Amino acid sequence: GNSVTQMEGPVTLSEEAFLTINCTYTATGYPSLFWYVQYPGEGLQLLLKATKADDKGSNKGFEATYRKETTSFHLEKGSVQVSDSAVYFCALSDRETSGSRLTFGEGTQLTVNP
Amino acid sequence: DTEVTQTPKHLVMGMTNKKSLKCEQHMGHRAMYWYKQKAKKPPELMFVYSYEKLSINESVPSRFSPECPNSSLLNLHLHALQPEDSALYLCASSRGAGGLGNEQFFGPGTRLTVL
Repeated sequence: GNSVTQMEGPVTLSEEAFLTINCTYTATGYPSLFWYVQYPGEGLQLLLKATKADDKGSNKGFEATYRKETTSFHLEKGSVQVSDSAVYFCALSDRETSGSRLTFGEGTQLTVNP
Repeated sequence: DTEVTQTPKHLVMGMTNKKSLKCEQHMGHRAMYWYKQKAKKPPELMFVYSYEKLSINESVPSRFSPECPNSSLLNLHLHALQPEDSALYLCASSRGAGGLGNEQFFGPGTRLTVL
């Protein structure tokens, strides 16, 4: 079956620090990969996506590259801000084996201090 | 319009009440979803509607009853809920169901408390 493993949180950083949140996946098909962000008290927002190997998704200074050889989709940002404090979910969608289903990682809580 | 809206934002209900959650999107999406999210956990899929037909029911108890009156609207009817059903209920939509890179757009959720 499909699964997503994220680095365990919580992660606490100072403003302007470099961020990496690791995400690896297992899929029997050829998945699309996503990062979603959930701010306190809100729903999930799509942060970025990639649909094929070596694709780089980017948005709001965040980046992630689809690495098929290492089955990874690590999230990075060069300089975090206090406003980036949120929970980040890595997810995959494998239409061949699971159709509409999104398989989520457990989420990583990020806190950025001023 | 790239928004999924949900009402109400908060709902408190007793175990004998009947209530409904509402979700709306005007992006022309043909797939809509209900998720349940407990604190500090990822969302769990409950139902998927594709072209207004129920395509996936993840063995959800019958006290949750989904309805898709048209392609823009999705309801979740609640009856005889249990306290453990208290959670954030999220609605999402996507262009289709299961297509390549078919990202799902989420609403802000309804925070449900069952007393």
